[in-house]
Amino acid sequence: NAGVTQTPKFRVLKTGQSMTLLCAQDMNHEYMYWYRQDPGMGLRLIHYSVGEGTTAKGEVPDGYNVSRLKKQNFLLGLESAAPSQTSVYFCATDLRGYRWNSPLHFGNGTRLTVT
Amino acid sequence: AQKITQTQPGMFVQEKEAVTLDCTYDTSDPSYGLFWYKQPSSGEMIFLIYQGSYDQQNATEGRYSLNFQKARKSANLVISASQLGDSAMYFCAMREGATQGGSEKLVFGKGTKLTVNP
Repeated sequence: NAGVTQTPKFRVLKTGQSMTLLCAQDMNHEYMYWYRQDPGMGLRLIHYSVGEGTTAKGEVPDGYNVSRLKKQNFLLGLESAAPSQTSVYFCATDLRGYRWNSPLHFGNGTRLTVT
Repeated sequence: AQKITQTQPGMFVQEKEAVTLDCTYDTSDPSYGLFWYKQPSSGEMIFLIYQGSYDQQNATEGRYSLNFQKARKSANLVISASQLGDSAMYFCAMREGATQGGSEKLVFGKGTKLTVNP
């Protein structure tokens, strides 16, 4: 039982390159989130999804796109990477079917460096 | 406006002593939930404890307890009998609104780095 799996774990991009981060969950959770973590800034929400086929913007959505074509997968795309997107990216899931106070379940993070 | 404020960028504590990590929050919603997460140097996010705004008692989970002062809008994490393995970043987070099943978003503070000295 893997829980929340993020791939890749590490990536180095050149400015202007594109990439997709994959988050896969096997817990049948409805809600999925992408956060970025920067030193001194805590975790900031990029985009999230409340179910298959839905997405919504979070606090810092610019420069990112997402898709949730299947319930178990949530993809985060960078179309043209910038050095400001150097960060650690976390995917999280949430059951939320009946308990609004349920905690998030996090993946182990993806460390992205844009040079 | 910042929803979650953690005013202590870094804290130090001696092994076996207790330590309090501060968290204040800002909301006008009467229904909300407060969460604490631990992030060790390995990077994973670990859920520690939860407090609901309508909970009558302070939450406790083993050596973790929450000093919840609703009128002051504070939800401080207390770690008793600190261990070396408690050295980590600690994040306070809040989800607002249970009137329609709750908000989708969990908002995090900037974190406090706790160092436990032997």
